[in-house]
Amino acid sequence: GAGVSQTPSNKVTEKGKYVELRCDPISGHTALYWYRQSLGQGPEFLIYFQGTGAADDSGLPNDRFFAVRPEGSVSTLKIQRTERGDSAVYLCASSEGGNNEQFFGPGTRLTVL
Amino acid sequence: KQEVTQIPAALSVPEGENLVLNCSFTDSAIYNLQWFRQDPGKGLTSLLLIQSSQREQTSGRLNASLDKSSGRSTLYIAASQPGDSATYLCAVRTGGFKTIFGAGTRLFVKA
Repeated sequence: GAGVSQTPSNKVTEKGKYVELRCDPISGHTALYWYRQSLGQGPEFLIYFQGTGAADDSGLPNDRFFAVRPEGSVSTLKIQRTERGDSAVYLCASSEGGNNEQFFGPGTRLTVL
Repeated sequence: KQEVTQIPAALSVPEGENLVLNCSFTDSAIYNLQWFRQDPGKGLTSLLLIQSSQREQTSGRLNASLDKSSGRSTLYIAASQPGDSATYLCAVRTGGFKTIFGAGTRLFVKA
């Protein structure tokens, strides 16, 4: 497929568990973004990658959240010791460069019980 | 701190009407502004991107304008159709690579 893909589409976990969310950007896109969206709100910025490096991680809420992009393509968002407040839809987007049009994936709905 | 506001929060119009959605932002130092639509339970679909040096962009029945000095953007939808029913979001790209979204306008077009 030519678009951004995210797996899994749904993830249910228990409080305190560790989760990983995956994003496959559009081929050739050097910029990758993670957001999270709560019901009735716009997406909230978490982190921006340019290539392999996190150029801006100022949106990560605390040190339980971490993201990597080791080869400059696929990215994984990692959440440790999940809390019920982490429940949201996690969205990934990619673009050709940092100032270009962003294309979004379908999201991963995370539910923490 | 950049804040993005969208008014109205919800809008219901009859099919065929032309309509305007509003987006305002507090800091004019932006790199670009992008409009998206989001269907229930889905991801975001890009509609239009306006770079900071541009005044407007057009795609089909959609026209988006940008006035950086006043911190405003409008999305104009001509001859609305039921298929246009969705939530419309605007987002500004700020310095430091952050993208800040508004809460969106929920549009319902009645057949």
